[in-house]
Amino acid sequence: RKEVEQDPGPFNVPEGATVAFNCTYSNSASQSFFWYRQDCRKEPKLLMSVYSSGNEDGRFTAQLNRASQYISLLIRDSKLSDSATYLCVVNKDNDMRFGAGTRLTVKP
Amino acid sequence: EPEVTQTPSHQVTQMGQEVILRCVPISNHLYFYWYRQILGQKVEFLVSFYNNEISEKSEIFDDQFSVERPDGSNFTLKIRSTKLEDSAMYFCASMSLTSGEQFFGPGTRLTVL
Repeated sequence: RKEVEQDPGPFNVPEGATVAFNCTYSNSASQSFFWYRQDCRKEPKLLMSVYSSGNEDGRFTAQLNRASQYISLLIRDSKLSDSATYLCVVNKDNDMRFGAGTRLTVKP
Repeated sequence: EPEVTQTPSHQVTQMGQEVILRCVPISNHLYFYWYRQILGQKVEFLVSFYNNEISEKSEIFDDQFSVERPDGSNFTLKIRSTKLEDSAMYFCASMSLTSGEQFFGPGTRLTVL
């Protein structure tokens, strides 16, 4: 089983749509969780940390379910500029493991 | 806002040559990382570095690779004898222990001919 598994997509959605990405991780001792966004040929950039209580940043909502070892990211009212690859990242003992990413394209 | 910087942005080299990729992490961060990303593929962990020594390394990080922090600011990745399959983007990252958040440099694109 992969350490961090994501639906590769691609997700093609119209502007204004709501889209959800899922991620599962294999190591139950993982300690912290993140979503990163990566634009083509650029470095990954931190989008948000993910907490057990769930957290929201504007149009973005992240959820963590430790019992199911599952992380999600919800994007509401998607914009053209949200088009990117979204990476699920899991940290155990300061070692970060990346999912393969989910590609999102938002179309006008 | 502090950021991770990397040089060069693009390095072209002949197979068998040595390359050194340079990174300046964020100044108060203590954990440093190298990753690579082959075009169209996922980000792959190479090595983590803490307290002037390697903390963990992946199976990719074989004897051809080494890391160093020669002074208080630079963090380098050396590939001793490059192969064609080493062509990739190499990202350096540093992490704040207080937040556990990792920040990436803009990457060095390595092309091995």
